[in-house]
Amino acid sequence: DAGVTQSPTHLIKTRGQQVTLRCSPKSGHDTVSWYQQALGQGPQFIFQYYEEEERQRGNFPDRFSGHQFPNYSSELNVNALLLGDSALYLCASSLGVRVNEAFFGQGTRLTVV
Amino acid sequence: AQTVTQSQPEMSVQEAETVTLSCTYDTSENNYYLFWYKQPPSRQMILVIRQEAYKQQNATENRFSVNFQKAAKSFSLKISDSQLGDTAMYFCAFMKQDNNNDMRFGAGTRLTVKP
Repeated sequence: DAGVTQSPTHLIKTRGQQVTLRCSPKSGHDTVSWYQQALGQGPQFIFQYYEEEERQRGNFPDRFSGHQFPNYSSELNVNALLLGDSALYLCASSLGVRVNEAFFGQGTRLTVV
Repeated sequence: AQTVTQSQPEMSVQEAETVTLSCTYDTSENNYYLFWYKQPPSRQMILVIRQEAYKQQNATENRFSVNFQKAAKSFSLKISDSQLGDTAMYFCAFMKQDNNNDMRFGAGTRLTVKP
C-alpha cells in the first residue's frame, strides 16, 4: 500500500520563475492538503483540494495555486518565485474533508536562488 | 486565530528514561483536535498521538501519552522508555473540528535521545 508520494524531492529555481510540485495521495484517499514548512518552523497550511476544487485556503498569496485531478493527485504551482518561498513543501492526504487524521509525504525541498 | 506554542526548542534525554514535551495553545473554540507529530531526518511527518477535546481521558499510544488540560489549554507529550529512534523534531498541532485539515503547528521541539 503506497503512502503519500511527492515529486521531485529537491528542486532549485531562480527568483521570478514558476514551479510545479506534485503529490499522489495514499491509496483510497481523496483529499489533498498542502503545507509550507520554512526552515526551523512548523508547517503552515496553504490549501486543500477535494473533488477537484479548492475547499479551504490559508494565508498565502494568489501566486500559490493548485489543482486536483480525477485520480485525486494534486499539483501545487507557485508563480513569480521569491527567495522567501524557499521551504519544504509537504503534501498530506486524507479520506474526506471532515477527518482528524492526515498522512504526510516526505516533501519537496524547494530552494529559490 | 488559533496559535500553538512550544516553549522548548531543544531537549535531550538518556535512552530508557522519560521525557515530557510541552505545548500550549490559544483558541476560543470548544470542539477541536490536538496532535503530536514526529518529523525525523527523513522529513516525513508521522502522527504520534491524537486527542479529541471532548474526551476527558488522556490519549495513550504504547510508550507515548499526553496530559491534556483543556482549561489551561495545555497538551504535553510524555515519552516513556525513550529509544534512539525517538530522536526527531516533534510538532504539536491544533485543528478545529470540521476544519478540513487546516492544522496549526507549533515551531517544534528537537528531541535528542542519547545512548
